[in-house]
Amino acid sequence: QVQLVQSASELKNPGASVRISCKASGYTFVDFALSWLRQAPGQRLEWMGWISTETGSPTYAQGFTGRFVFSLNTSITTAYLQITGLQTEDTAVYYCARNSPTDLWGQGTLVSVSS
Amino acid sequence: EIVLTQSPGTLSLSPGERATLSCRASQSVRNDRLAWLQQKPGQAPRLLIFRISTRAIGVPDRFSGSGSGTDFTLTISSLEPEDFAVYICHQYGSSPWTFGQGTRLEI
Repeated sequence: QVQLVQSASELKNPGASVRISCKASGYTFVDFALSWLRQAPGQRLEWMGWISTETGSPTYAQGFTGRFVFSLNTSITTAYLQITGLQTEDTAVYYCARNSPTDLWGQGTLVSVSS
Repeated sequence: EIVLTQSPGTLSLSPGERATLSCRASQSVRNDRLAWLQQKPGQAPRLLIFRISTRAIGVPDRFSGSGSGTDFTLTISSLEPEDFAVYICHQYGSSPWTFGQGTRLEI
């Protein structure tokens, strides 16, 4: 079955870090790049950038540099999004999606940041 | 950055009726890379249409897309109960990829 399965929801304090995983299955992992997207409550989707599954090279959209890191473990067909220095404004559902177009989406991971 | 503006914000219709949703881009979408997504509450978006008018695998033919340049339309020819959801247009021709704010289709 072709799917992307993400890790479970997280509740974090401000200043903490979080790592979200996105496990791909049912297709050849390196044939498609992966994007990361964010959907804050009541807001439109935002594209955070993408990572080449062939080379591991990430590309970050403006506004998602510095605290956001995309990485891969190709041996287990898994992509990761790490966010450091969490802020309350980072509270959102985070999605991975296969490029392009975004024809396959993970189920989403809710990250809640609150003291 | 290309800004996508969708109209109307909410569309109230009944099963069996025809729905017409609009998406306007602030500049021309490159290489016809305009897609439509469907999102239901608590679920991830689902790709319906890409390259303006190509249906994704498994999408019923009551869904159709049209348009060019900066003006695009998603049409649902005869609404089924499962079609009531939020519809989002999305351009992936220019970086950064951007999304519309969505049209809520309600009964």
